[in-house]
Amino acid sequence: AQSVTQPDIHITVSEGASLELRCNYSYGATPYLFWYVQSPGQGLQLLLKYFSGDTLVQGIKGFEAEFKRSQSSFNLRKPSVHWSDAAEYFCATLNNAGNMLTFGGGTRLMVKP
Amino acid sequence: DTAVSQTPKYLVTQMGNDKSIKCEQNLGHDTMYWYKQDSKKFLKIMFSYNNKELIINETVPNRFSPKSPDKAHLNLHINSLELGDSAVYFCASSQLTSLVGEQYFGPGTRLTVT
Repeated sequence: AQSVTQPDIHITVSEGASLELRCNYSYGATPYLFWYVQSPGQGLQLLLKYFSGDTLVQGIKGFEAEFKRSQSSFNLRKPSVHWSDAAEYFCATLNNAGNMLTFGGGTRLMVKP
Repeated sequence: DTAVSQTPKYLVTQMGNDKSIKCEQNLGHDTMYWYKQDSKKFLKIMFSYNNKELIINETVPNRFSPKSPDKAHLNLHINSLELGDSAVYFCASSQLTSLVGEQYFGPGTRLTVT
């Protein structure tokens, strides 16, 4: 079965610093991968997705992610974090039928002033 | 303008009661979902409906009964509520026939069972 793992439960960065959130997937073929963000008390917003082609994908809010097959990873990055980026971030993979998302456990990002 | 909406946003009720959560999407999608997010933020799918037909039922207790009167609506009825049902329930929708059917989520319904 497809699965994703987010090794870091909590991450704290200073405002203006760079950010990398880790996501590892488990799947033989090319997976469909997503990053979602959940701000406190809010629903989930799609940041970006990967399904084929260019392995570096750009998303909203200045985020990008790189698909690395050799490392089974799809890490999320941002060059300069803003206080408003403090939220819970979820990596997810879509099954072959395209009808079920499986989420990682989430990484809570805190931003220090 | 809201793409996926849920009502109510908060629901506080006592054990043993029956309650419903409603979901509507105006994106013209053919597939809708219910997810449960527990107190540790873990998100797991419960149900999925495609064109009003149930396609995924992830071993959810039969106290939970989804109903899809049309493609734009997916309601969740819960009978005999238990303490363990306390969670945030998210509705989502997608278009299965698109190349990659990313899912759009509602704002969530926080259910507290006392």
